[in-house]
Amino acid sequence: AQSVAQPEDQVNVAEGNPLTVKCTYSVSGNPYLFWYVQYPNRGLQFLLKYITGDNLVKGSYGFEAEFNKSQTSFHLKKPSALVSDSALYFCAVRAINTGKLIFGQGTTLQVKP
Amino acid sequence: SAVISQKPSRDICQRGTSLTIQCQVDSQVTMMFWYRQQPGQSLTLIATANQGSEATYESGFVIDKFPISRPNLTFSTLTVSNMSPEDSSIYLCSVEDPVGTSTDTQYFGPGTRLTVL
Repeated sequence: AQSVAQPEDQVNVAEGNPLTVKCTYSVSGNPYLFWYVQYPNRGLQFLLKYITGDNLVKGSYGFEAEFNKSQTSFHLKKPSALVSDSALYFCAVRAINTGKLIFGQGTTLQVKP
Repeated sequence: SAVISQKPSRDICQRGTSLTIQCQVDSQVTMMFWYRQQPGQSLTLIATANQGSEATYESGFVIDKFPISRPNLTFSTLTVSNMSPEDSSIYLCSVEDPVGTSTDTQYFGPGTRLTVL
């Protein structure tokens, strides 16, 4: 069965420090991996995706993510956090054979000044 | 990416009534989906809205409860029927693949926040 796990309900980081939001996946075949962000009372915004190619992908707002096949992980990172990055972050996986998008439980990122 | 709008943005409804949510895209798209996000939860796919044919529902969701229409490539509706407080959620539509492309990326509307009393 396909699944996505975000092991941390909440991540706290000080402004200016690097941040990491963790994601691991389980899927048959080669995965398509995505990160989305949800600000309060808003829909989901697409941040970045990994389909193939370079394991380090860059996305919107200075975020990047590293695909690690051996560890089945796709952690979201940013070198220097901003208070405005505080939001709910979702990792998702799409299996090629089904096309369905499966979401993790979400991680709340809290960046404090 | 496509601009996606949903109506209404929020509503408070009485138990036993039905609500129809509209999703409008500013360009033709191949795929449209409907998701539910229960309070404090992640997103769960309800169904894939198929243009000109019946929607494809995920396990646990049925057409009688969540009828879906998709009359063309830019518009879809989701109806939440015979509502109960357990239906209180955010309902989101998403789209993928503008016609003629293959992006493999879903983009989401702003969501409809439904509260059932």
